Amino acid sequence: AQRVTQPEKLLSVFKGAPVELKCNYSYSGSPELFWYVQYSRQRLQLLLRHISRESIKGFTADLNKGETSFHLKKPFAQEEDSAMYYCALGGFKTIFGAGTRLFVKA
Amino acid sequence: EAGVVQSPRYKIIEKKQPVAFWCNPISGHNTLYWYLQNLGQGPELLIRYENEEAVDDSQLPKDRFSAERLKGVDSTLKIQPAELGDSAVYLCASSKTSGGPPTGELFFGEGSRLTVL
Repeated sequence: AQRVTQPEKLLSVFKGAPVELKCNYSYSGSPELFWYVQYSRQRLQLLLRHISRESIKGFTADLNKGETSFHLKKPFAQEEDSAMYYCALGGFKTIFGAGTRLFVKA
Repeated sequence: EAGVVQSPRYKIIEKKQPVAFWCNPISGHNTLYWYLQNLGQGPELLIRYENEEAVDDSQLPKDRFSAERLKGVDSTLKIQPAELGDSAVYLCASSKTSGGPPTGELFFGEGSRLTVL
């Protein structure tokens, strides 16, 4: 069955520290993976997708098929990065993980 | 460009009452989704439309939930009668697909928060 797991409900880091939000997926085939973000009082929006291999707002994510992971990373966290982050597996039915709340402390 | 528009933003009703949510997708987006988001959870798909056809409604509780997308544009999601456990945020999203699996970006509305008392 297709599944997305985000093991951390809450991640708290200090400003300037590296951050990694974990995502593991279960899918038989070539996955299409995404990270969505929801800032306070804003709608859910796409942050990045693995297929484009781009860096958005300093965030990157590498697809590791061997470990079935798609962790989101940023070398230096900023206070404005505080938000809810959802990993998603695309396809006919986009499946979301439960989300990780990132809190960046000053 | 206007994004996905949903209404109402908030709705409080008593159990057993009916409720309806409306969604206007981004112009030109042929695929429309209704997601349910419970507190502390990620969005879960209720129904997906390709134009006016419901192509995946396997997760829609059909005993009390119904949806329609007349003319392949706006969509309405209805609950009748509502139960306490239906309290959640109902998200509408749209995307532009041209056959095959929709692997592109989903554009979300702000959501409709339902509280059932």
